[in-house]
Amino acid sequence: QVQLAQSGAEVKKPGASVKVSCKTSGYTFNDYGMHWVRQAPGQGLEWMGWIHNVNGKTKYSQKFQGRVTITRDTSATTGYMELSSLRSEDTAIYYCARDQGAGGIRPFDCWGQGTPVTVSS
Amino acid sequence: DIVMTQSPDSLAVSLGERATINCKSSQSVLYSSNNKNYLAWYQQKPGQPLKLLIYWASTRESGVPDRFSGSGSGTDFTLTISSLQAEDVAVYYCQQYYSTLSYTFGQGTKLEIK
Repeated sequence: QVQLAQSGAEVKKPGASVKVSCKTSGYTFNDYGMHWVRQAPGQGLEWMGWIHNVNGKTKYSQKFQGRVTITRDTSATTGYMELSSLRSEDTAIYYCARDQGAGGIRPFDCWGQGTPVTVSS
Repeated sequence: DIVMTQSPDSLAVSLGERATINCKSSQSVLYSSNNKNYLAWYQQKPGQPLKLLIYWASTRESGVPDRFSGSGSGTDFTLTISSLQAEDVAVYYCQQYYSTLSYTFGQGTKLEIK
């Protein structure tokens, strides 16, 4: 079945970067886009950006533009999200989620289990 | 950004009773060329990945029990659980995917058993 397995919890200092991975299985990687969403403690869901898995084009939320980089390794069927210049407000659980299609105007039909990222000095 | 506002923030319903969650968007998410509402509902349970329940405002995802239904159009939407089961305790989110500049979610509605 479709699975998105994320990398483990991270603890980072302010100003550092974090890179979270999302290993996929159970489907043809190139047929679907991948989104990244975060959830701060006690808060709702916040979309960060997505990647078109065929052509590699990315689109980022204006809030994270310049700090977030989403990539993918098609041979490894894995997606990545890197967030730089971390601050305490970036403490959150980071999720990858599969786009229901390839074009990015679809809902997110499968989610990873989440990767907790703690930013603390 | 399109702002999604859910109501209520929390809800307690007796087992077997109906649960209704509302979602309002700050602008229409109905795409006139295909007459589709770009609105989805998700369920979040502790320790589990989020689950897509409903998309296109009223299409049930494969495997989702038919007690879950979605309705509405334009800016006003509703998720209804016709007969609440214990396993439905969760937080529910609506999401618009009309504006791909920024997909936005409602703040969430926590559903509990009364």
